[in-house]
Amino acid sequence: GDSVTQMEGPVTLSEEACLTINCTYTATGYPSLFWYVQYPGEGLQLLLKATKADDKGSNKGFEATYRKETTSFHLEKGSVQVSDSAVYFCALPKGQAGTALIFGKGTTLSVSS
Amino acid sequence: GAVVSQHPSRVICKSGTSVKIECRSLDFQATTMFWYRQFPKKSLMLMATSNEGSKATYEQGVEKDKFLINHASLTLSTLTVTSAHPEDSSFYICSATIYTGDSYNEQFFGPGTRLTVL
Repeated sequence: GDSVTQMEGPVTLSEEACLTINCTYTATGYPSLFWYVQYPGEGLQLLLKATKADDKGSNKGFEATYRKETTSFHLEKGSVQVSDSAVYFCALPKGQAGTALIFGKGTTLSVSS
Repeated sequence: GAVVSQHPSRVICKSGTSVKIECRSLDFQATTMFWYRQFPKKSLMLMATSNEGSKATYEQGVEKDKFLINHASLTLSTLTVTSAHPEDSSFYICSATIYTGDSYNEQFFGPGTRLTVL
């Protein structure tokens, strides 16, 4: 079945460092891909998405490019901030539109000043 | 953006009792709601899919008699953990979505409910 594999953390960085969180997927066809973020004590929020191959999703300085050749959707940010400390989840739809999501195991990012 | 609330945010109960968790979409009518369970250092695992006015669809391995889901309206779904045991202790998260027929439907997540069974 479809699945998502993302690098396990925790990832510990200093402020202004570069971030890459790897995510690869296995799926039939070309599903939409998502990155969700969970800040401490809060619910998951959609960070960015890409709906087709070669699309680049971006938000809050984060970017991810949908690469079908490598079945990857790596999350990147050029300069992280302390406020970026959170758990990041890569995800894809379980089935057709309107269905649940399949999540990776989550990567905890901790940024220190 | 769309807001989903959960109540309670935290509950501690004795083994053998039942606990009800509410999930509400506050400013939109949700076509579908989902219930997930999040284990420590683990991903979210889908438990069931809930559509208003119909029976929930449970994932393989999820006991439907233990985890009762009711979706009485387009803004409210409830998860009742019946005869809870310590192994049911977990973080339960709901999400809601609006089906538009597009290839992508954003899900809006509640803040989660921490259940501890003593």
